[in-house]
Amino acid sequence: ETGVTQSPTHLIKTRGQQVTLRCSSQSGHNTVSWYQQALGQGPQFIFQYYREEENGRGNFPPRFSGLQFPNYSSELNVNALELDDSALYLCASSIGWSSREQYFGPGTRLTVT
Amino acid sequence: QKEVEQNSGPLSVPEGAIASLNCTYSDRGSQSFFWYRQYSGKSPELIMFIYSNGDKEDGRFTAQLNKASQYVSLLIRDSQPSDSATYLCAVKTGFQKLVFGTGTRLLVSP
Repeated sequence: ETGVTQSPTHLIKTRGQQVTLRCSSQSGHNTVSWYQQALGQGPQFIFQYYREEENGRGNFPPRFSGLQFPNYSSELNVNALELDDSALYLCASSIGWSSREQYFGPGTRLTVT
Repeated sequence: QKEVEQNSGPLSVPEGAIASLNCTYSDRGSQSFFWYRQYSGKSPELIMFIYSNGDKEDGRFTAQLNKASQYVSLLIRDSQPSDSATYLCAVKTGFQKLVFGTGTRLLVSP
């Protein structure tokens, strides 16, 4: 157990809807990174939040957005869901934005129909 | 060329044997290298990380890094059926993101 929690565990949405996924970082960790893992692929970096600011973004469209709260928990929001958004969404927490080690939560499995 | 490349496998080894997992990366500026284990339906679990050329040992696991060849490997000694999983190699170039390979599936047969 890494101490990183995510909710919900599973989610089914319809194309065009919006979804919010939540992540609580490990105690003492002030940085949260979000990844998308499609079936059979490695995780892909979406963005990172450090002290409530977006600190880096991968190759994902603006309909993927996020927030980090003062307690360092974080949300990932996806608007206008597409079928290809079906994936395992992982958050990882770390101490500081330059920290080498990132520890993953259990993930949220999103299915878009 | 993919940033991080791994053979998808499956790599099949008998129980008690040494499993050797390999990974190559394209960015010579890469600074940190990680091995994660992922069981089916679960999230990745950090096994080891290595920053300097050479070997780093942790229990049954040894990570090897050769920056000149842009090559990282993970050796698992005395492989157990519980080691059967997908092993993800990840590389950190800048300060923020990990870049992952697609993973190698390892099967350890009793």
